[in-house]
Amino acid sequence: AQTVTQSQPEMSVQEAETVTLSCTYDTSESDYYLFWYKQPPSRQMILVIRQEAYKQQNATENRFSVNFQKAAKSFSLKISDSQLGDAAMYFCAYRRASGTYKYIFGTGTRLKVLA
Amino acid sequence: KAGVTQTPRYLIKTRGQQVTLSCSPISGHRSVSWYQQTPGQGLQFLFEYFSETQRNKGNFPGRFSGRQFSNSRSEMNVSTLELGDSALYLCASSQGRRHGELFFGEGSRLTVL
Repeated sequence: AQTVTQSQPEMSVQEAETVTLSCTYDTSESDYYLFWYKQPPSRQMILVIRQEAYKQQNATENRFSVNFQKAAKSFSLKISDSQLGDAAMYFCAYRRASGTYKYIFGTGTRLKVLA
Repeated sequence: KAGVTQTPRYLIKTRGQQVTLSCSPISGHRSVSWYQQTPGQGLQFLFEYFSETQRNKGNFPGRFSGRQFSNSRSEMNVSTLELGDSALYLCASSQGRRHGELFFGEGSRLTVL
């Protein structure tokens, strides 16, 4: 069975600094997707970034980028120039590429941004 | 385009009662998934529906059930509520295609007393 592990329950970062959130996963599949979702306090969850396993190039979305290490089954999220609005729960998620829309989520990392 | 809408947003029930939660997906989305979110457990997959058919089901007891209607709206039902069912129940819709992402609603927060 696939699993997703986020070993950092909480992280803090100074405004304008860079922070990296860790995620590891386990799967025997070769074709899959990995995601980072953001859940601000009392607000709905939104997609931050997506990585397709067959693409070697790391995904980037403005200040957000990932370090995807397929062999190590590692998928970390880097947030550059952190802003107060980045404060939220961040969830790493996995989905097989075909056959099911079942997402497997990690337990989340709460990110605090200090002014 | 309207987002995913969940009703009710908050509800309080007592043990043994049942509850029905509703989800209206984004227009054009045929896949609806349900997740249970609790502190420390993250999001646990309940089930996923596509074109009125349940495509996948998580490891929850039979007290948890769902359905999807022809207009893609979905409901989930929990019978014989237990204290441990207190959680935020999230609905997410998707186009159901290979590259489709999940779009989440704000959730229904259920408290069981």
